[in-house]
Amino acid sequence: QVQLQESGPGLVKLSETLSLTCTVSGGSVSSGSHYWSWIRQPPGKGLEWIGYAFYSGSANYNPSLKSRVTISVDTSKNQFSLRLTSVTAADTAVYYCARLWRYGYFDYWGQGTLVTVSS
Amino acid sequence: DIQMTQSPSSLSASVGDGVTITCRASQSISSDLNWYQQKPGQAPRLLIYAASSLQSGVPPRFSGSGSGTDFTLTITSLQPEDFATYYCQQSYSTPYTFGQGTKLEIK
Repeated sequence: QVQLQESGPGLVKLSETLSLTCTVSGGSVSSGSHYWSWIRQPPGKGLEWIGYAFYSGSANYNPSLKSRVTISVDTSKNQFSLRLTSVTAADTAVYYCARLWRYGYFDYWGQGTLVTVSS
Repeated sequence: DIQMTQSPSSLSASVGDGVTITCRASQSISSDLNWYQQKPGQAPRLLIYAASSLQSGVPPRFSGSGSGTDFTLTITSLQPEDFATYYCQQSYSTPYTFGQGTKLEIK
């Protein structure tokens, strides 16, 4: 059974960089059939796709965040990471990592981690 | 970006009832539509992919249909564990986008 677990600071200061890691167990980030994705959900609101990365290094980001986001895959640690720069209060959300099938659906999700941007 | 609109935003039903949730895309997305269930404090769970394919482990009382711009999620014989928020998501093109959610509450 594939499991994903997010880790990282729950509090980030205004204008600084949010960094999260997702550790994958029960499966390999080097799978050629899957992409590795981040999705976020502001408190009480809906879901927003942030982007995905492939083990080869290619990535695809939501244009609304593209200038600030980097997603990377570390095959040696079976992990992938999210980096979001210059955060504002609007970036406060629960951040989920998820496995994305190449057909476009998210079949395994982490439990989510709340990141609060503070001044 | 492709906009996804769900209706209704909320609905009330009783255990044993059947319900239908609708999702409309702002342009044709073929059958590239997925449905998720989310309970409070939990991650979303994939129910249906490619408009009508049931994800492994999901009870057959859940079903999906549609193509083009209009899609439905139908739940027959509601069980207590089905009261949750449901989201549709298009996978036709990036950026992937989700509907705003439909909250299913117990009457």
